Parts: sequence; structure tokens; C-alpha cells
Amino acid sequence: AAGVIQSPRHLIKEKRETATLKCYPIPRHDTVYWYQQGPGQDPQFLISFYEKMQSDKGSIPDRFSAQQFSDYHSELNMSSLELGDSALYFCASSSEDSPTYEQYFGPGTRLTVT
Amino acid sequence: GIQVEQSPPDLILQEGANSTLRCNFSDSVNNLQWFHQNPWGQLINLFYIPSGTKQNGRLSATTVATERYSLLYISSSQTTDSGVYFCAVGLSGGYQKVTFGTGTKLQVIP
Repeated sequence: AAGVIQSPRHLIKEKRETATLKCYPIPRHDTVYWYQQGPGQDPQFLISFYEKMQSDKGSIPDRFSAQQFSDYHSELNMSSLELGDSALYFCASSSEDSPTYEQYFGPGTRLTVT
Repeated sequence: GIQVEQSPPDLILQEGANSTLRCNFSDSVNNLQWFHQNPWGQLINLFYIPSGTKQNGRLSATTVATERYSLLYISSSQTTDSGVYFCAVGLSGGYQKVTFGTGTKLQVIP
């Protein structure tokens, strides 16, 4: 079965640079969630989209922005990168047509800021 | 927001031993998932279990929603079971973000 795809899988950037992370949800899934997991921490919710509209927002820095496109893929844009942005970034998807509320997680993008 | 607590925080097992991991949550949920995070960082979905009991091989899980806790049982543990186990819950009332617990770090030694 198709899973959530994230790209790139690894990314190395320098401080003050920008980064774009991409997420391709499971086909026919209409909701996308982004989570950030710092070293030794549990994943924390950043932002979510339903049908291309922002549906919820967590502790996402103002330097970050995200959107969901007409094909339901999503991009997380990160500017003025800081050392503390080094983390695993997960995307998850779900479908409001599903009988369950289960979220399906992608493999993650490991961002390293030097 | 909802509070999610997992216990124990760390666990060391001899290969072949059994274990029980616990997840307590503070509010009504419509989503509860157990994950195993492997050494490469991938979150492996073990169970979607907002209520009831499920089994998959050596793993089983039980959620008692009315008492706001879930248990993950690992039997006949293997070294490949090592890693961090997270529970994640979503509040009742539609499609919501999930909140992760702080995890249980399991090490299975030969």
C-alpha cells in the first residue's frame, strides 16, 4: 500500500539559510499534519491542513510557513535557520472519509543546521 | 491541552522476557496510536486502538477509554524490539492533531 512520502530524507543547511521540506500524503487523504522532533524529545505538533486550508496551529515559529497544494501535497518552508531547528520533521496524513481517526506517518526528514 | 504520560521511562529486558508499557491520558480521545521508533528515527505504527484490545504477533494492546489509559504488552522480547515506544492521542471531536507521550526507551539485551 502507498505510504506517506517525504523529501528530502536528509538535509544539511547552514545557519540563516532557508529549507523546504515536502510531504506527499497517501492518495485520497485530505489532511496533512507536520510534527517536529528534537533530539531526545517526543514529536511536537507544528501545523495541519485540511482541504488546502490551515486547520490547526501549534508551536510553529514565525520563521516557518507551510501550505497544502491542490494535489494535497504540502510544503514546510523554514527561513533564517537556527541551530535549534535541527530535528526530525514528520509529516502525517489522514482522511475524513476514513472510518477511523488514524494518522499515517512518513519516514521523516532529518534536518541538520550547522 | 491534553496530558499524556508514559511509564516506565526506561526499561532494560533480557531477551525472551515480557513487559508492559503504560500510557495515561487526561481527556477523552478518539485516537490512540502506539508507535515504535527505530534507531533510524522512523515511527513504526504498531496499533490504532482508541478502545478495546488488539493483538499482532508478540505484541498486544489494550485501551480502557473510560479510565483513560492504554497498555502495550511485549512478549518474548527480542533485541530488535529495542527503541523508543510512544503513545499518541487525539482529542475527541473530529480530526485532530495527536499529542505524544514522552516515550518509553526499551533496551533488550541478549
